[in-house]
Amino acid sequence: DIVMTQTPLSLSVTPGQPASISCKSSQSLLHSDGKTYLYWYLQKPGQPPQLLIYEVSNRFSGVPDRFSGSGSGTDFTLKISRVEAEDVGVYYCMQSIQSFTFGPGTKVDIK
Amino acid sequence: QITLKESGPTLVKPTQTLTLTCTFSGFSLSTSGVGVGWIRQPPGKALEWLAFIYWNDDKRYSPSLKSRLTITKDTSKNQVVLTMTNMDPVDTATYYCAHRHLIVVVGAFDIWGQGTMVTVSS
Repeated sequence: DIVMTQTPLSLSVTPGQPASISCKSSQSLLHSDGKTYLYWYLQKPGQPPQLLIYEVSNRFSGVPDRFSGSGSGTDFTLKISRVEAEDVGVYYCMQSIQSFTFGPGTKVDIK
Repeated sequence: QITLKESGPTLVKPTQTLTLTCTFSGFSLSTSGVGVGWIRQPPGKALEWLAFIYWNDDKRYSPSLKSRLTITKDTSKNQVVLTMTNMDPVDTATYYCAHRHLIVVVGAFDIWGQGTMVTVSS
């Protein structure tokens, strides 16, 4: 089974400041088809998860451009260029190269 | 517009079987590349994938729960049903269903239902 880890597990950010979350997988998420099956989700309080990023770095429809994803192989990063109040919640990375596995989540709140 | 909605009992007793239904609209489970998955989240904890069914009736299960899970689809009713046997209090969670397309957004669960909370208690 592929294990996903995230750091940090919690993050307190001043509005307008950047934030960064790391996600690591126990195996490479690069498929033989050339795609890397890594996604990022944000779960706001009391809501289902919402897709932010797919295939490492592609923003989903309607996602603000302050969100960006990067990485390759087993190491990935989600960056928020300027955190806003509406960005609070828990961020999860997920892989789908081998079944599906979510990371433990990173809770982001505002200072 | 794609929507999904989970339904089922809010309370089940230990050892009972849970049956959840995901009713969806805006897509067809007979379309190539389309699938529906189930994911759960215990209170205050992380997301856990449970099962997935493809348009061609191919099915995938979480290895740790495979013996307890069955996923089926009814294309004519636009529904996906998940059954989980031998329920235990640790299975108390919000259960979500979600849409996935192999090609669009490269296989992400892109649209989720609002979830249904299931409590396991005697």
